Amino acid sequence: DAEITQSPRHKITETGRQVTLACHQTWNHNNMFWYRQDLGHGLRLIHYSYGVHDTNKGEVSDGYSVSRSNTEDLPLTLESAASSQTSVYFCASSEREGATYEQYFGPGTRLTVT
Amino acid sequence: QKEVEQNSGPLSVPEGAIASLNCTYSDRGSQSFFWYRQYSGKSPELIMFIYSNGDKEDGRFTAQLNKASQYVSLLIRDSQPSDSATYLCAVNKGYSTLTFGKGTMLLVSP
Repeated sequence: DAEITQSPRHKITETGRQVTLACHQTWNHNNMFWYRQDLGHGLRLIHYSYGVHDTNKGEVSDGYSVSRSNTEDLPLTLESAASSQTSVYFCASSEREGATYEQYFGPGTRLTVT
Repeated sequence: QKEVEQNSGPLSVPEGAIASLNCTYSDRGSQSFFWYRQYSGKSPELIMFIYSNGDKEDGRFTAQLNKASQYVSLLIRDSQPSDSATYLCAVNKGYSTLTFGKGTMLLVSP
């Protein structure tokens, strides 16, 4: 069955370190998204991609970067982790075409920056 | 005005009752609307979507859309304790990105 996976599921890192969160989908979806979810803020869009070599900034992109070298993967990099980036991170994907654009989510990565 | 607003709850209903979850949105150009369910510690799971005015039914779930009032709702009939979760409303404005509300917590008591 097609799916979307994230790794690691839990990560503890120190302030200032570079961290990369992986997202892999086997839906063959063109669109991929990264969100963070925090109490009181809900889901907020960090970065998204419409296809290979395409990346776009979302609502809360400062301090994060992504790259898309193939259809299946969209890794999220925290260049220099900050305590404010402690959060739960979700990856999602959707089809390129269609009016509805429903998104399917991965299981999430809980990141703690100490 | 926030783009997508939901009452944070909790909304408490007894088992077997109808739960009514509401969502308003600010952009009249919004085209499609989604309801996700999120259990504590889990990822959002798509329940259903709607893009035409009126009702759309799927099993115990009914989504209702009123574009003139910029209002979308989710009705859950015969609520079960397993329906206890946070329900997220999301809106698409014609591109592939979604804007999410903060969610409404639903508690169904046996």
